Amino acid sequence: DTAVSQTPKYLVTQMGNDKSIKCEQNLGHDTMYWYKQDSKKFLKIMFSYNNKELIINETVPNRFSPKSPDKAHLNLHINSLELGDSAVYFCASSQINNEQFFGPGTRLTVL
Amino acid sequence: QKEVEQNSGPLSVPEGAIASLNCTYSDRVSQSFFWYRQYSGKSPELIMSIYSNGDKEDGRFTAQLNKASQYVSLLIRDSQPSDSATYLCAVQASYNTDKLIFGTGTRLQVFP
Repeated sequence: DTAVSQTPKYLVTQMGNDKSIKCEQNLGHDTMYWYKQDSKKFLKIMFSYNNKELIINETVPNRFSPKSPDKAHLNLHINSLELGDSAVYFCASSQINNEQFFGPGTRLTVL
Repeated sequence: QKEVEQNSGPLSVPEGAIASLNCTYSDRVSQSFFWYRQYSGKSPELIMSIYSNGDKEDGRFTAQLNKASQYVSLLIRDSQPSDSATYLCAVQASYNTDKLIFGTGTRLQVFP
């Protein structure tokens, strides 16, 4: 299946822990993104990478660090998790005309 | 003023009716506009993109763009209960074309 995939789908962890979310796309796209969707369903961009180069870095705490080993993968590492980090994190990718295609999401719950 | 504004709804329409979803944006220079559908607990799914003034039709969906009024809309004809979802309007930022700015979404309910 051609798609954007993310793992894990659910992540439940304690405050202060460090966790990673992985994203892969096999659409051949050059640009990948991380979005955060909060409890009010507002979808906000966090980062974007184009061919492994950081393009967008929104006002995100530096506890969040993206990493792109190649243009098909974009991972998100979060240090010292806080309660306010609980949200759904979506990975997306795009090629032409900025039509972005989203992965299934990772629901992060920080206890 | 929010960059992309949508009425949160819910917008309730009977099955078979036309659902009209509206979106206004503040960046006068924006060039690309998108509608996403998001079912509860699922990811956003791209359903329409529009780049020039006027109407663009795809099946039961019609996107309408008026750049002078900074307004984009989505019409869903012959609405079905399966269309019940949140519809997100997204606008490409003119200052960074890799960036999409999303509205907060309009929840549509189609009742039988």
